[in-house]
Amino acid sequence: GQQLNQSPQSMFIQEGEDVSMNCTSSSIFNTWLWYKQDPGEGPVLLIALYKAGELTSNGRLTAQFGITRKDSFLNISASIPSDVGIYFCAGQLVDTDKLIFGTGTRLQVFP
Amino acid sequence: EPEVTQTPSHQVTQMGQEVILRCVPISNHLYFYWYRQILGQKVEFLVSFYNNEISEKSEIFDDQFSVERPDGSNFTLKIRSTKLEDSAMYFCASMYGGYGYTFGSGTRLTVV
Repeated sequence: GQQLNQSPQSMFIQEGEDVSMNCTSSSIFNTWLWYKQDPGEGPVLLIALYKAGELTSNGRLTAQFGITRKDSFLNISASIPSDVGIYFCAGQLVDTDKLIFGTGTRLQVFP
Repeated sequence: EPEVTQTPSHQVTQMGQEVILRCVPISNHLYFYWYRQILGQKVEFLVSFYNNEISEKSEIFDDQFSVERPDGSNFTLKIRSTKLEDSAMYFCASMYGGYGYTFGSGTRLTVV
């Protein structure tokens, strides 16, 4: 089946640092979504991308939909302790509305 | 902000028992989904539901699983005879029409 390769698997950073994570696939996607998940909770949507090349910001978060439609990245600037959690990319393929999730990036922020 | 609501938040059941997980999607949404997440793993698609019928299902969604929208507000996932490997977080999601893909907080199912 389709796979999303998400990297890095985990990150340990100091408060104030910038963070970058990305997802790649061999499949073409119509939509890329980035979610954050806290322990025991459901994924919360951070940013949605609907067009190839689109660059969208949400506060300190910036995400881009790759021009080939096979990849996306998420940047977090000036990280703070509440950024701790697991970040998932999710892609929606051309002919379906189901989401394919990446394997997640676990972010730890140290004061 | 509109929410997808799931109940119960945690359910413990004996192997072989039937369970029903309940969801109230966002009221004007038209597309409904169930996903599951085994502890420590990624979120996996189970089934999508539109216009009162299943539109797509994964290989995980076998004959033991069924979904229903019994009235205008609820969306349920039934597992007929639970197995140990069904233990996972189950997430309901809904979407309006290409936008607003929103997840609930999940039901943690523990099969003992």
